[in-house]
Amino acid sequence: KAGVTQTPRYLIKTRGQQVTLSCSPISGHRSVSWYQQTPGQGLQFLFEYFSETQRNKGNFPGRFSGRQFSNSRSEMNVSTLELGDSALYLCASREASLYEQYFGPGTRLTVT
Amino acid sequence: TQLLEQSPQFLSIQEGENLTVYCNSSSVFSSLQWYRQEPGEGPVLLVTVVTGGEVKKLKRLTFQFGDARKDSSLHITAAQPGDTGLYLCAHRSGYSTLTFGKGTMLLVSP
Repeated sequence: KAGVTQTPRYLIKTRGQQVTLSCSPISGHRSVSWYQQTPGQGLQFLFEYFSETQRNKGNFPGRFSGRQFSNSRSEMNVSTLELGDSALYLCASREASLYEQYFGPGTRLTVT
Repeated sequence: TQLLEQSPQFLSIQEGENLTVYCNSSSVFSSLQWYRQEPGEGPVLLVTVVTGGEVKKLKRLTFQFGDARKDSSLHITAAQPGDTGLYLCAHRSGYSTLTFGKGTMLLVSP
């Protein structure tokens, strides 16, 4: 099976802009989670989607949002970008009844 | 929030050396996971430890879960350049929420 794919791999945006990142899970995986990775804070959980519903949310401001489509693909959106949003954004998918998550390679977002 | 503290933050060694990295907390966990993240990639699960005192081996990697289930260690024997990467410990709450330590960056030079 193909692994988790994320697009784009690299992105440069300006403060105040918004951005949309995409994640395609492993075929058959219905759960998609998003994480933010920064040198200062490490890897932090953003949110999880399962069958198009947000099931869990981390401690991030409302500027961070996401959605999941009927084919399990997921997008996350960050509005009004700040310099501190520069990070590696990782998505991970898993099968419905199993715990193990499989991570994609991430999208490196740079906000200038 | 159940924090995981990893040490050391950075480790640079020569090929063939042994090393141990640590993951500590004041909280008790039902399980802990270890991941390795290579540059440009996402984390990959190496092992899950569940029972206090448990020791698991994965080739040259030995993982131990503390008796009190508050800490874990990863020992690498005869490190190789291919072991280079960020080693992360994490605990799971619910099905999908992983809380990670900040990791130990390991650099193994030939």
